[in-house]
Order: sequence, then C-alpha cells, then structure tokens
Amino acid sequence: SQTIHQWPATLVQPVGSPLSLECTVEGTSNPNLYWYRQAAGRGLQLLFYSVGIGQISSEVPQNLSASRPQDRQFILSSKKLLLSDSGFYLCALYRYGYTFGSGTRLTVV
Amino acid sequence: QKEVEQDPGPLSVPEGAIVSLNCTYSNSAFQYFMWYRQYSRKGPELLMYTYSSGNKEDGRFTAQVDKSSKYISLFIRDSQPSDSATYLCAMNLQGGSEKLVFGKGTKLTVNP
Repeated sequence: SQTIHQWPATLVQPVGSPLSLECTVEGTSNPNLYWYRQAAGRGLQLLFYSVGIGQISSEVPQNLSASRPQDRQFILSSKKLLLSDSGFYLCALYRYGYTFGSGTRLTVV
Repeated sequence: QKEVEQDPGPLSVPEGAIVSLNCTYSNSAFQYFMWYRQYSRKGPELLMYTYSSGNKEDGRFTAQVDKSSKYISLFIRDSQPSDSATYLCAMNLQGGSEKLVFGKGTKLTVNP
C-alpha cells in the first residue's frame, strides 16, 4: 500500500529564516503529489502539485516554492518565512481521493 | 457565496448518539463527494467516497448525497469517543479530477 512520509512533525522558525519540508512516497511510482496548507479557520488550501520530476504547478502566488527532484520526493521551500506562513502543511497523493501525510505544523515567530 | 459551506461546530454529543454532519455546495457540476476524518495533529484520512445522488453505507457510517438540494451528509450511528475528530467534506467535478474543493471541517466530540 502507498505511504507518505513527512518530516519534521513540528517546526518553529523565526521570521526571515529559510524553510525546507520534505515529503517522500512509498508503494507507488510516478504519483501526482500535492502540498496543502491548513490554517486555522480557513480549511485546506492547495499550494502546489506535481505530475512528475521537475514539473511543478502553483495554485496561489505566495512566498513558497516547491520542487520535485525525484519521482517519490516532493519538497516545499521558502527563502524567507513570513508570519503568515504559519500553518499545518500536508503532502498528499491522489488516487480516488487523497492520501495525506501526517503533516508538519509550522509556527513562524 | 463560497463553493462549499460546512458548519465548523463544535459539535458535542454523548456516546451512542446518532451524529449528522452536513455540507452545502453551490456548483451543480460537482459529481464526486468525499468525507475525510482528521484527528488532532494528524493528516486527514478518507472515510467515504460517493458518486452522484444516493446513499452509501460502511459500518456505522452512511454518506448521503442530494444533488437536487446541493446537500451532502455524513451520519454516524452509535457514536464512540474514538469518533471525536474534525470531519471535512470534499467534492470535485470528475472522478479523475484531483482538484478537490474542501469544506472547512466540523469538529466533533463524543463524550463517554
């Protein structure tokens, strides 16, 4: 069965610092991968999706970027974090509904 | 009007109660409807997946879709404390479309 690994589980970062969140997938090949952010009271927001290595689509303009250096690896990055980047970040793949990772709770202070 | 509306709750019920969770939507083109359960500090997990109008049952859970009213429901029978979680509805235009529109979630607490 397919499994999504995300780390770290919790992260506290100062404003202006860089960010790198990693997601890896097991049990499937060539998956479509997604980064979502879940902010309090705002629901799930699609940030990026990727249909293959090096292919990234952005859903909302923002302070974040994504990369897919390998088939089963999806990375979310920022060069300089803002307070508004705080939230719960979820990596997911889609097959008749999403399978989500366990998420990273990011607090920017 | 937002595409998907979901009452955030919180909803608190005693153990054994029947729980009804609901979402309304505005886009009549939505065809596939899902319910996710999210425990605190965890990613959402898919609970139910339904197509078009009708009911689908899985154990204590029943998903109901009324396309004429643009209204979907999730019923939980004999609710348990382990059902305490946030429940999110989601929907999309085609089964293969991966761009889901999510509700904001309803927080449910089942008290022993």
